[in-house]
Amino acid sequence: AQSVAQPEDQVNVAEGNPLTVKCTYSVSGNPYLFWYVQYPNRGLQFLLKYITGDNLVKGSYGFEAEFNKSQTSFHLKKPSALVSDSALYFCAVRAWGNTPLVFGKGTRLSVIA
Amino acid sequence: GAVVSQHPSRVICKSGTSVKIECRSLDFQATTMFWYRQFPKQSLMLMATSNEGSKATYEQGVEKDKFLINHASLTLSTLTVTSAHPEDSSFYICSAPQGEKLFFGSGTQLSVL
Repeated sequence: AQSVAQPEDQVNVAEGNPLTVKCTYSVSGNPYLFWYVQYPNRGLQFLLKYITGDNLVKGSYGFEAEFNKSQTSFHLKKPSALVSDSALYFCAVRAWGNTPLVFGKGTRLSVIA
Repeated sequence: GAVVSQHPSRVICKSGTSVKIECRSLDFQATTMFWYRQFPKQSLMLMATSNEGSKATYEQGVEKDKFLINHASLTLSTLTVTSAHPEDSSFYICSAPQGEKLFFGSGTQLSVL
């Protein structure tokens, strides 16, 4: 069965500094990895995904994530954080086929001006 | 791109009433849809997998008689919360796969008084 771990409940970073939100996963076979962002009282917004190919994936709003197979990690990164990046971030994994996404518990990112 | 439409976005109901939530794939056929529930400040938990033309598959701990799922066509799945109680108040969100992609509805905030 798939599982996702987001070890940090909260990440605080100063505006303009780089940010990292950690994610590790467990899945049978090749993983499909995703990051979503959720703003208050709103649904999920897709940020980026890794299916195959280049281990460094670039997504929306300047975010990127690096797939590391040996460490089974898919950390979300951004070189320079904005206050508007403050939100709840979910890492998710699924296997091939009509399988559901399994979400991590979420990490709340606070960017402080 | 593919769109999943979910209605209503917000519903307030009295305890004991039933609420139906619709999830439609607008420009693709979805033989499978997934229903998630998110309690405040928590992650998204898979409730059930909806299968067109057959019975839904429920996750452990989810009452199938309380959360009725119907997937009558290739573009529509419905979740009915029967005899709703305040503890059913939550954010419900559906998703539909298309290949390796997974599209989400905008979610339904259910508040049971």
